Amino acid sequence: GESVGLHLPTLSVQEGDNSIINCAYSNSASDYFIWYKQESGKGPQFIIDIRSNMDKRQGQRVTVLLNKTVKHLSLQIAATQPGDSAVYFCAENGDSSYKLIFGSGTRLLVRP
Amino acid sequence: DAMVIQNPRYQVTQFGKPVTLSCSQTLNHNVMYWYQQKSSQAPKLLFHYYDKDFNNEADTPDNFQSRRPNTSFCFLDIRSPGLGDAAMYLCATSTSLGVYGYTFGSGTRLTVV
Repeated sequence: GESVGLHLPTLSVQEGDNSIINCAYSNSASDYFIWYKQESGKGPQFIIDIRSNMDKRQGQRVTVLLNKTVKHLSLQIAATQPGDSAVYFCAENGDSSYKLIFGSGTRLLVRP
Repeated sequence: DAMVIQNPRYQVTQFGKPVTLSCSQTLNHNVMYWYQQKSSQAPKLLFHYYDKDFNNEADTPDNFQSRRPNTSFCFLDIRSPGLGDAAMYLCATSTSLGVYGYTFGSGTRLTVV
């Protein structure tokens, strides 16, 4: 269920440093995972995805790691920039082929 | 550019007054979704259409309804908005491949006064 008055956890990093955002997913049947970036007042923006037959996938400046044993997903952002400041959500498909279920987000603040 | 368009971007409605939010897509995707996102929370799926087949989430209140008159359009109807329904409403689409092709709109911010 939803929590009233939930405050997002915040990660504050220095510009140029690497960021690691973590996510614990809930459904062991999930076989597809996505990281989204959401800026204030905008819809979620796709960053990177990974299927359960992989444990690592790299994109441009981003890497997603998947640990199915402990149901853990992480997003690594290299050389974090001010434009990376946003809320980041992980999402999983659960036992459905058609529905994405979002995890709780993390707010990333990049200090100049 | 092919995209998912939500109108309006901001909607103010009175407590108890029915309101309709609109979503259109030029992607010709089979599936259209509606999510509710309250402040500082994750998007929560309300329902989705696969073509004309409506799929409601078990915990979606009856106050929320949806219509999909054709492939391109999907509407979210809130029959009697309460203060707790103030949120960002996100529309998304995907292909018959399901979760592998999600595309989100920019959302409609609903305020209830």
